[in-house]
Amino acid sequence: NAGVMQNPRHLVRRRGQEARLRCSPMKGHSHVYWYRQLPEEGLKFMVYLQKENIIDESGMPKERFSAEFPKEGPSILRIQQVVRGDSAAYFCASSPTFQPNTEAFFGQGTRLTVV
Amino acid sequence: GENVEQHPSTLSVQEGDSAVIKCTYSDSASNYFPWYKQELGKRPQLIIDIRSNVGEKKDQRIAVTLNKTAKHFSLHITETQPEDSAVYFCAASASGTYKYIFGTGTRLKVLA
Repeated sequence: NAGVMQNPRHLVRRRGQEARLRCSPMKGHSHVYWYRQLPEEGLKFMVYLQKENIIDESGMPKERFSAEFPKEGPSILRIQQVVRGDSAAYFCASSPTFQPNTEAFFGQGTRLTVV
Repeated sequence: GENVEQHPSTLSVQEGDSAVIKCTYSDSASNYFPWYKQELGKRPQLIIDIRSNVGEKKDQRIAVTLNKTAKHFSLHITETQPEDSAVYFCAASASGTYKYIFGTGTRLKVLA
C-alpha cells in the first residue's frame, strides 16, 4: 500500500509563472488536506477537499491559490503568478474518514523555490 | 483564533537523558493531539497521539501526557539516542474539524 504520493518533489519557478503541485492520497482515502511550511516554521493548514468538493479553504490565500480534487486523478494545488514569498514546502495529507480525531498521513512534500 | 504554543524552540540533551517538550492549546473543544517528528527535508511522521478521553499514553521510550483542564500536553522521550535528533511538532485538532493547528516546532539535538 503506497503512501501519500506528491510530485514533483522539487519545483523551481520564476516569478510570475504558475506552479502545479500534485497529491495522490493513500489507497482508500478520500479526504485530502494541504499544508504549507515556510522555512523554520510549523505547518499551516490551507485547504481540505473531498472528491469533487472543497470542504474548507479558510487557510488559502484569497488570490492566486486554488485547489481541486477531481473524481479521477490526483488533487492539485495551483499557484498562479508565483512570488518569492510562495517559496515553501507544501505537504499533502490524507485520511480515510472525516472524523476530526483521525490520523492524517503526510506525503513527502513538494519544495517550491521561486527565483 | 485557535492557537498552539510549543516550548522550547530548541533543546539539546546528552545521549541517554530525557527530553520533554510542552504545548498549550487555546481551543477547549480540541480532542485529538498528535505529535510529529520531522527530519531534515523529510515528511512529518506521526510518532504518538492522544485523545481527550485519556490522560497519558506510552509507546516504548515515548510518552505523551494531557491535562485538559490546563489545556496543555507534553511529549516525553526517555533514554534519548542520536537518531532522536529532529524537529518535533505538536498539533491539536481544531474544534469539530479535521484540520490540525500545529505548534512552531522544537529542534531536538541529542549529543553523543
